[in-house]
Amino acid sequence: NAGVTQTPKFQVLKTGQSMTLQCAQDMNHEYMSWYRQDPGMGLRLIHYSVGAGITDQGEVPNGYNVSRSTTEDFPLRLLSAAPSQTSVYFCASSLGLAAHTGELFFGEGSRLTVL
Amino acid sequence: DAKTTQPNSMESNEEEPVHLPCNHSTISGTDYIHWYRQLPSQGPEYVIHGLTSNVNNRMASLAIAEDRKSSTLILHRATLRDAAVYYCISANTGKLIFGQGTTLQVKP
Repeated sequence: NAGVTQTPKFQVLKTGQSMTLQCAQDMNHEYMSWYRQDPGMGLRLIHYSVGAGITDQGEVPNGYNVSRSTTEDFPLRLLSAAPSQTSVYFCASSLGLAAHTGELFFGEGSRLTVL
Repeated sequence: DAKTTQPNSMESNEEEPVHLPCNHSTISGTDYIHWYRQLPSQGPEYVIHGLTSNVNNRMASLAIAEDRKSSTLILHRATLRDAAVYYCISANTGKLIFGQGTTLQVKP
């Protein structure tokens, strides 16, 4: 199993450009989520999904869109990139939303710079 | 979900036990206590989680106070590879909200 795969690993954008960060998991996990981590900070939840067709907002959803058309994929779209969105983005998945399901698996991260 | 409080940083000597504390005084009865760690330039990784009883796995032990208002992550023999940021999270769903964590330094 590949686990959680994020692409691209690095991306540089100009202000106002749009792009999609891809996230795929091959563990048949129902729950997927996106976090961002600014330098020296903890992770902040952007959006999450409890299954195909279902998404919801996290702590910092503004400027980002998500969709969940399949169990495997959970792309994160930046509609009009701003320098404040310069960050490292992590995708994560787990069996379900219930806390007792335990382990949240993280991808390796996508480092985004907006000029 | 309850807010957690952790020290900003801790130091340990290699091959000695490490006790990382976490306060979660507003925890509810259905909140689990989760611990994750993040090595430099990597994504977080799961360490351990529990509800009421103490828990052990190959990585660490989790000691939960009887009133559940605090917990301690125990690394039995710290290695240099254990140097990381350790996050304590209290949640009743898998929607985990990360705080600032404790930066653990391990000295050889």
